[in-house]
Amino acid sequence: AQSVTQPDIHITVSEGASLELRCNYSYGATPYLFWYVQSPGQGLQLLLKYFSGDTLVQGIKGFEAEFKRSQSSFNLRKPSVHWSDAAEYFCAVGPRRGNTGKLIFGQGTTLQVKP
Amino acid sequence: DTGVSQDPRHKITKRGQNVTFRCDPISEHNRLYWYRQTLGQGPEFLTYFQNEAQLEKSRLLSDRFSAERPKGSFSTLEIQRTEQGDSAMYLCASSFPLGGTYNEQFFGPGTRLTVL
Repeated sequence: AQSVTQPDIHITVSEGASLELRCNYSYGATPYLFWYVQSPGQGLQLLLKYFSGDTLVQGIKGFEAEFKRSQSSFNLRKPSVHWSDAAEYFCAVGPRRGNTGKLIFGQGTTLQVKP
Repeated sequence: DTGVSQDPRHKITKRGQNVTFRCDPISEHNRLYWYRQTLGQGPEFLTYFQNEAQLEKSRLLSDRFSAERPKGSFSTLEIQRTEQGDSAMYLCASSFPLGGTYNEQFFGPGTRLTVL
């Protein structure tokens, strides 16, 4: 079955500390990969995406993610977290074949930032 | 603002009532998606349209749910005879074929439904 797993439901980091959010997927073939962020009461904002090429992708707000095919992972990182990064983060995958665009999301990781 | 908009933002209804939500996509986007997000979970795909054609419906979409996109622009999602289990955030997203794929989707703020 196709699925996305985000093992950490909640993560708390201190402001200025580094951050890594984990994402693993189970899919028939390498999918397109995404990270979205959702602030309270808001819709989802795309942070970054991986389609092909360089496995380290840069996104907005200083985030980056690394695709590791051998581990079926797409972990999100940020070297120094800001208080405004507190939000919920979702990893998602989308199909290459069929071009339906149906995204499968993980259950999300809630990030809390301590001052 | 040229993003995806949804109306209403919040809806409280009593069990058994019908509700309808509207989504206005980004104007040049020909694909429109509906997702449902329950508390503590990620969004789950419900259905999608290309222009006015509804191309796929999830098994999550029971016969009480119907979606339309009559002129290939805005879309409506109707839930008949609402149940408490329908309480969720309903998200709309739109996309266009960027690089040949529809995977990059732009999301609206969602409609939060509470069924009492």
